[in-house]
This record gives sequence, C-alpha cells and structure tokens, in this order.
Amino acid sequence: EDKVVQSPLSLVVHEGDTVTLNCSYEVTNFRSLLWYKQEKKAPTFLFMLTSSGIEKKSGRLSSILDKKELSSILNITATQTGDSAIYLCVPIQGAQKLVFGQGTRLTINP
Amino acid sequence: DAGVIQSPRHEVTEMGQEVTLRCKPISGHNSLFWYRQTMMRGLELLIYFNNNVPIDDSGMPEDRFSAKMPNASFSTLKIQPSEPRDSAVYFCASSAEGPQNRPQHFGDGTRLSIL
Repeated sequence: EDKVVQSPLSLVVHEGDTVTLNCSYEVTNFRSLLWYKQEKKAPTFLFMLTSSGIEKKSGRLSSILDKKELSSILNITATQTGDSAIYLCVPIQGAQKLVFGQGTRLTINP
Repeated sequence: DAGVIQSPRHEVTEMGQEVTLRCKPISGHNSLFWYRQTMMRGLELLIYFNNNVPIDDSGMPEDRFSAKMPNASFSTLKIQPSEPRDSAVYFCASSAEGPQNRPQHFGDGTRLSIL
C-alpha cells in the first residue's frame, strides 16, 4: 500500500529559527514528489522534485529529494509567522495520482 | 489568471438531501481531481479525470457519490443521499498533463456540513 510518513507531525518554534521537515514515502511507480503549503484554504504548490540530489530553492525555502532513501526534506530558514501552516509532502504515483500523508503542522511564534 | 473555481464555498444541508459540488478547472488543464479533507483522514483522492474521462474512481467511498465531467471546463461531484459523515472540505484540483510532470493546482474548496 502506498504511504507517506511526515515528521514531526507538529512543530512549534520561534520566529527566526530554522526548521527541517522530513518526509519518507513508499509509492509504487513513483514519478516525482511535491511539497504543498496549506493554510486556511487550499494547498498551494511549493516545489516539484523529480531528480535525486538536486536542491530546489525559493527564497527562504529549499527542498531536496533522495530517491535512494525514499525521502525528502523541506528547509525553512529565518522563519516568520506567515510560515505557520500545514506542510504536505506528496509523492506522485503513476499517472498523476497524488498520495497524501498527514502533513506537518508548523507553528511559528513571534 | 483564474485559478480552479469551486462552488459553492459553503454548503449546509440536512441529511438525505442531494448535494452537488461544482468545479471549473484552469483553462488548458486536461486532468481534474476531486479530493476530500477531514481532520481524521487528511486529504483523500476521490476520483480523477483525464481528458474528461474518469481514470481512477477507487477513492469514491460508496455508491452515494458520483462525479461527472461533461466537458473540459466543468465537473460535478454529487452526493445522494447525503449523510452527516460526508461533512468535510471537498477540493477540486487540475493539472496540465504533458511530457514533463505538472503540479496540481487546487481550488479553495467547498466546506460541506450535513446536519
């Protein structure tokens, strides 16, 4: 059965801290992996990772995929209160089928 | 650019009633997905369409749920009869299929409450 495990499930840090969110997956016919940020409404797209070992960056956020270890991490440096959200690691299985885990709930305190 | 548009934004109805959720995907996207999100189960894929054809409906919980995509710009998810356990946020997402992987873009969701 396809599954995604994210850790930690919940994380509370102070503004300015750096956080690392972890994701491990077991997915048949793996294609690529997505990271989404979900605040109050719909998940918003952050990164798509297809190749192993290549870091993708967007401002204070970065992410990398390790296909050998079936894992990915999402780093956020100099966190801000606006980074508070649920972060979803979502591998794509087969023909665009997304496999969702429970996500990591990140809370940034001022 | 307009994103994925869902309607209604909120729906409150009594159990036993028919509920119809609507979705307009991003223009040019040829894959459409319906998801359900609850606190207990997180996000679950219900069904997805490619070029208006249902490809995988294994996530549809039971026969009370049905989905259609009569054309490339419109899809519906219908629940008949509705039950309180159907209360959830229902998301529609779309993506453009091509030689490269394309991320799915989500609508704002429909928050459904069945009393």
